[in-house]
Amino acid sequence: AQTVTQSQPEMSVQEAETVTLSCTYDTSESDYYLFWYKQPPSRQMILVIRQEAYKQQNATENRFSVNFQKAAKSFSLKISDSQLGDAAMYFCAYREGSQGNLIFGKGTKLSVKP
Amino acid sequence: ETGVTQTPRHLVMGMTNKKSLKCEQHLGHNAMYWYKQSAKKPLELMFVYNFKEQTENNSVPSRFSPECPNSSHLFLHLHTLQPEDSALYLCASSQEGGLYNSPLHFGNGTRLTVT
Repeated sequence: AQTVTQSQPEMSVQEAETVTLSCTYDTSESDYYLFWYKQPPSRQMILVIRQEAYKQQNATENRFSVNFQKAAKSFSLKISDSQLGDAAMYFCAYREGSQGNLIFGKGTKLSVKP
Repeated sequence: ETGVTQTPRHLVMGMTNKKSLKCEQHLGHNAMYWYKQSAKKPLELMFVYNFKEQTENNSVPSRFSPECPNSSHLFLHLHTLQPEDSALYLCASSQEGGLYNSPLHFGNGTRLTVT
């Protein structure tokens, strides 16, 4: 069965600095999608970034980028120029192909210090 | 307007009560989901509806009963719950099928406390 592991329960970053959140996953499939979701205190899960496994190029969305290492089954999220509004729980998620359901990690709580 | 609206936002119920959680999506999606989020655990998928048909029941106890009358509305009927059922219940929707499957869009959740 596929699993998603986030080894950092909590992380802290200074405002304007860069932070990297780790995620590893286990799968025997070759076609899958990876996601990072953000859950602020409002509780709504918001999609931050997605990566298709068949694409070698790392996805980027403004200040958010990923380091996708397919062979190592690693999918880390880098947040540049951290802002106070980035403080939230961050969840890494895996989806098999186009029909599978999302499998989530336990999350990393990110704090941003002013 | 989040696109996916859940009500109520908070719910406290006794173990003998019957209540329902409601979810409505305004995104034109054809699939809807219920997830359970407990402290320090990964989100747990409970139910999936695709084109109003239930396609997944992830071994959820029968005290949770989903209902999907159309592709825009999803309910979770609750009865004789246990204290360990206290959690945040998240609804999500997505567009499935075709060449592109959209990511899940989530609501703000219902915080359920069972006393």
